[in-house]
Amino acid sequence: GENVEQHPSTLSVQEGDSAVIKCTYSDSASNYFPWYKQELGKRPQLIIDIRSNVGEKKDQRIAVTLNKTAKHFSLHITETQPEDSAVYFCAASIEFGNEKLTFGTGTRLTIIP
Amino acid sequence: EAQVTQNPRYLITVTGKKLTVTCSQNMNHEYMSWYRQDPGLGLRQIYYSMNVEVTDKGDVPEGYKVSRKEKRNFPLILESPSPNQTSLYFCASRIDPLGQPQHFGDGTRLSIL
Repeated sequence: GENVEQHPSTLSVQEGDSAVIKCTYSDSASNYFPWYKQELGKRPQLIIDIRSNVGEKKDQRIAVTLNKTAKHFSLHITETQPEDSAVYFCAASIEFGNEKLTFGTGTRLTIIP
Repeated sequence: EAQVTQNPRYLITVTGKKLTVTCSQNMNHEYMSWYRQDPGLGLRQIYYSMNVEVTDKGDVPEGYKVSRKEKRNFPLILESPSPNQTSLYFCASRIDPLGQPQHFGDGTRLSIL
């Protein structure tokens, strides 16, 4: 089955700096890679996703990149703000005809004011 | 309001006493899943369902059962709970796999003594 590794497990950055979280996956058939943000005591919420036919996707201060050859994908947050402090999870799945979703172990991001 | 409702939100119980965590969605979603969240392990999928009467195992199905007799409900059943099932549980649903984000419930914190 799929195995997703996520690094680092904790990350502290100064407000205004950039943060990068990296994930690797094992199943070359995986083609859908969502990222979730979970604030303390709340439910996970999708923040951005990418499919294997795209190398990069941006949404304001958030971007995700995908390297299919190396089987890794990364989340980039620029101009970090205090409200970016949360736990971030990457995930991988085979889209279509399947609902199996494998998550990484999470990264606790702390933005230092 | 579109939502995924889990009950109970909190439960403390004892080993071996059967329990059911209910999950209901009002969005007519076909796809539903159960996850457990443990510190350092991220979210792990227990079971998922792609339609009524169609269920399949996720990564950690042992000790759990599910049913999908109607579209809106997807209960999680612990026939004989054990302390290693103490965890935070999330139910999620989405309409189809074509990029629609999963809607998560608020979570159920189970403690098995």
